[in-house]
Amino acid sequence: QVQLQESGPGLVKPSGTLSLSCAVSGGSISTNDWWTWVRQPPGKGLEWIGEVYHTGSTNFNPSLKSRVTMSVDKSKNQISLTLSSVTAADTAIYYCARESAALSLACMDIWGKGTAVTVSS
Amino acid sequence: SYVLTQPPSVSVAPGQTARITCGGKKIGDKSVHWYRLKPDQAPVLVVHDDSDRPSGIPERFSGSNSGNTATLTISRVEAGDGADYYCQVWDDKTDQRLFGGGTKLTVL
Repeated sequence: QVQLQESGPGLVKPSGTLSLSCAVSGGSISTNDWWTWVRQPPGKGLEWIGEVYHTGSTNFNPSLKSRVTMSVDKSKNQISLTLSSVTAADTAIYYCARESAALSLACMDIWGKGTAVTVSS
Repeated sequence: SYVLTQPPSVSVAPGQTARITCGGKKIGDKSVHWYRLKPDQAPVLVVHDDSDRPSGIPERFSGSNSGNTATLTISRVEAGDGADYYCQVWDDKTDQRLFGGGTKLTVL
């Protein structure tokens, strides 16, 4: 059973860079699945950030595209998210999820528990 | 851009049926997925492709989608069903994944 575990600093300074990792266990990252990041600001709904394929191909939310980078580390079987020039509006719980190739397009069947990130000085 | 609209809250007594709607222009032409979120837990896919249940999800969870409204139905509601529920679609015009605003289900 594939499991996802997010990790990273819980506190980032304004104008700084947020960097998170998502470790994939119980399966290879090099499948036909896409790996997705979703966030939830306090008291608000879910927001799709973007996705990455094991080849390095990416697809981002246009509202965040200028600040987002995603990558794959096959040796560690993990994906990474980088968000630059952060502000308080980037404070959120950040989730990684698998978009399964076995299901319908854009269906996220497995999620991590999420990691909370606060942007504050 | 495509917008999904959910009621902020739905309340239901235990044993009754809860219906959570997700509105969008011609949403019936899209595949809708539903997720359950509880604090400090990983989100869970409860219905995919309008009405299919992943393994492990009780038959009490069902879905439908037609016209401008998709609906998640939870029959014989239990206390443990209390959570936030989100609908989600793929916008083929922009290749974006879109979520509804979420509905808080309260079991009275």
